[in-house]
Amino acid sequence: QQQVKQSPQSLIVQKGGISIINCAYENTAFDYFPWYQQFPGKGPALLIAIRPDVSEKKEGRFTISFNKSAKQFSLHIMDSQPGDSATYFCAARDSNYQLIWGAGTKLIIKP
Amino acid sequence: DTGVSQDPRHKITKRGQNVTFRCDPISEHNRLYWYRQTLGQGPEFLTYFQNEAQLEKSRLLSDRFSAERPKGSFSTLEIQRTEQGDSAMYLCASSPLGVFGNEQFFGPGTRLTVL
Repeated sequence: QQQVKQSPQSLIVQKGGISIINCAYENTAFDYFPWYQQFPGKGPALLIAIRPDVSEKKEGRFTISFNKSAKQFSLHIMDSQPGDSATYFCAARDSNYQLIWGAGTKLIIKP
Repeated sequence: DTGVSQDPRHKITKRGQNVTFRCDPISEHNRLYWYRQTLGQGPEFLTYFQNEAQLEKSRLLSDRFSAERPKGSFSTLEIQRTEQGDSAMYLCASSPLGVFGNEQFFGPGTRLTVL
């Protein structure tokens, strides 16, 4: 019940396309859902986050869609660029304020 | 640079040796977290501090691991009698105290290789 399942494991998208990464969870006590971006050799960096009382949040080219009833949330990257190539992690915060992480998606944007 | 810093960035050690890593969080961040990350996986929570108090430890944190945050500022993570399975990236993160957000700011990590 504490797991966050992330898919796909890897994704290749053409430059200018839309990248979509999905996550699903079971624990309805999760109350905060961030997405992190990680480049090789670096620590994860917060990209965008959402609370479950909101169905969508957009920041620039990045959008989180949140479906509370389905217990799913997704990251959409519009107009994907080669600089977006990285590993993306979804996470969910539990009642102890700890983040439960997905396994990550390696995104490659082909020029 | 006011971000989270970690030292050293890389550590190579022989099995059985002790190693210690340091994390300097963003100043005024009350919470400090340690994670371990292996290749192709998400970070695994190890432990976290609120100020100087260690509030939670993962069952992943064996007796060979110990963490301190003596004055509520920097933290150290020590691994005693290292094993090859300890090879990983050790990440530190800090966050301000608050109910919402809980944005965790990560350092660059310390990559440990145990030979």
